[in-house]
Amino acid sequence: GEDVEQSLFLSVREGDSSVINCTYTDSSSTYLYWYKQEPGAGLQLLTYIFSNMDMKQDQRLTVLLNKKDKHLSLRIADTQTGDSAIYFCAETPNYGGSQGNLIFGKGTKLSVKP
Amino acid sequence: SQTIHQWPATLVQPVGSPLSLECTVEGTSNPNLYWYRQAAGRGLQLLFYSVGIGQISSEVPQNLSASRPQDRQFILSSKKLLLSDSGFYLCAWSVGRLMWNEQFFGPGTRLTVL
Repeated sequence: GEDVEQSLFLSVREGDSSVINCTYTDSSSTYLYWYKQEPGAGLQLLTYIFSNMDMKQDQRLTVLLNKKDKHLSLRIADTQTGDSAIYFCAETPNYGGSQGNLIFGKGTKLSVKP
Repeated sequence: SQTIHQWPATLVQPVGSPLSLECTVEGTSNPNLYWYRQAAGRGLQLLFYSVGIGQISSEVPQNLSASRPQDRQFILSSKKLLLSDSGFYLCAWSVGRLMWNEQFFGPGTRLTVL
């Protein structure tokens, strides 16, 4: 079955880079996502990467995908206190063109210290 | 623009009481609808999804049920709540049947069963 694993906590200082890691098991996954959940709120899509890409950059965010090792990472440059949140990795398992349910990891809580 | 509403925002219920959580989506037609639960210390778990009115798929066996009486309304119910039903319930929507499937999340309902 599908499984997505993430470390539960990460603490960084303001201005440093944050790297959140994720591993997944479904080698047929076509899209991988990073969602952000701020305290008491729903999830917000941050970025996504298609499985035939190795890297995607969007302003302060860089997503790296190692498909061979089934490893996904999210790098946040110049981390700010406003980046403090829980970050979820998710994948779309390949059900052959279904509605594309997401399989989420447990989330990594990022704490940014001033 | 599309919006998603959930209510209530918080709920405290005794064990054995019934439950009804409501989710409505505005600004889109024929969305895919999802119910997720985020339990303390655990990841985000997909409970139900629906691709159309009256069409409900359950991902995990549990004490809960879902219904979709209208195109943009999704209801999560229980006849008798258990302590283990406590958690943060998130409704989400997406469109299309392709693998690319950005999901948009509601603000969530925090349920405490005492």
